[in-house]
Amino acid sequence: GDSVTQMEGPVTLSEEAFLTINCTYTATGYPSLFWYVQYPGEGLQLLLKATKADDKGSNKGFEATYRKETTSFHLEKGSVQVSDSAVYFCALLSGGTSYGKLTFGQGTILTVHP
Amino acid sequence: DTGVSQDPRHKITKRGQNVTFRCDPISEHNRLYWYRQTLGQGPEFLTYFQNEAQLEKSRLLSDRFSAERPKGSFSTLEIQRTEQGDSAMYLCASSLGGDYTDTQYFGPGTRLTVL
Repeated sequence: GDSVTQMEGPVTLSEEAFLTINCTYTATGYPSLFWYVQYPGEGLQLLLKATKADDKGSNKGFEATYRKETTSFHLEKGSVQVSDSAVYFCALLSGGTSYGKLTFGQGTILTVHP
Repeated sequence: DTGVSQDPRHKITKRGQNVTFRCDPISEHNRLYWYRQTLGQGPEFLTYFQNEAQLEKSRLLSDRFSAERPKGSFSTLEIQRTEQGDSAMYLCASSLGGDYTDTQYFGPGTRLTVL
């Protein structure tokens, strides 16, 4: 079945450091790929998405490129801020006859220190 | 606020009791989803509706769980004879539905604690 694997955390960085959170997937068909973020005490929010190979999703300085050849969708940000501290989830939307459920990775906790 | 809302936000119950959660989706969204999230894990799919029709159910959804969306608007998730293993965050999401570009928007969740 479909699956998503994220790099294990937690990740701790200093402010203005470069961030990479790795995400790889296994899926049948042509899934869409998403990054969701969960800030402390809040619900899941869509951060960015990409719906086909070589698409780049971007939002709030975060970027991720849909790489079909390596089945990856790594999240990057050039300069993190303390306010980026949160849990980040990579997810895929299953293809096939009905685009329905999201399959999530286990999440990566990011802590950014001043 | 036009986002997805869930009620209650927290529920504490004793083992063996029944509980019911409600989800109100974004008004123009045809699809409604339920997920369960345990501590340190990503959300796991439970079931989803297209309007009032329940289209898919996960194997996680035992016969103690039932979900309805009677008029294609709000949905309820009921857990009968709760067990301690049911303690989790129950998330609802909604979307316009239909194709591979579909984006799901999540509510704040209902945290269930079974004592």
